[in-house]
Amino acid sequence: AQSVTQLGSHVSVSEGALVLLRCNYSSSVPPYLFWYVQYPNQGLQLLLKYTSAATLVKGINGFEAEFKKSETSFHLTKPSAHMSDAAEYFCAVVGGGADGLTFGKGTHLIIQP
Amino acid sequence: GAVVSQHPSWVICKSGTSVKIECRSLDFQATTMFWYRQFPKQSLMLMATSNEGSKATYEQGVEKDKFLINHASLTLSTLTVTSAHPEDSSFYICSASGGVSAYNEQFFGPGTRLTVL
Repeated sequence: AQSVTQLGSHVSVSEGALVLLRCNYSSSVPPYLFWYVQYPNQGLQLLLKYTSAATLVKGINGFEAEFKKSETSFHLTKPSAHMSDAAEYFCAVVGGGADGLTFGKGTHLIIQP
Repeated sequence: GAVVSQHPSWVICKSGTSVKIECRSLDFQATTMFWYRQFPKQSLMLMATSNEGSKATYEQGVEKDKFLINHASLTLSTLTVTSAHPEDSSFYICSASGGVSAYNEQFFGPGTRLTVL
């Protein structure tokens, strides 16, 4: 079975500061990994995905993530936080049951003015 | 990206009644649709996977007789919560994919908030 662990249910950063959201995965096969963002009472929007091509993946809204097999990690970063980045962020891996996504517990990103 | 809609966006019902939630892919044909459940301040949990014209595949612990899923066309899947109880109150989110594998990108609907009184 595959799983993801997101360290830190809440992360608070100042506007303009670096954003780092952590995700570690467990997988018996080469994983496909995803980061999604969820705004209040809305569905999920794909930020970026790793599909075994480049290990550094660039996504929307200035986010990027690096796949590190040796560390089984896929951390999400953004050089400079913006107030509009405040949301819930989910890391996910393919492999939940019949090809659905397995999600981490989520990290709530708070941006301090 | 592709657009997926859900209807209704929220619903309140009495205990013992049934509620139907629709998930539509508006601008692409969804070969596979997924239904997830999200409790407050928690992650999404996969409930079932449905392929057009086939019976849904349910995750372990999900009652197939309680959560009826129909994927009758390439643009519509429905989730019916039968004999709803307060513990069924949750945020239900569907996603749709144009492929048959989860390696194909899933596009998520905005969710349906169900409250059972």
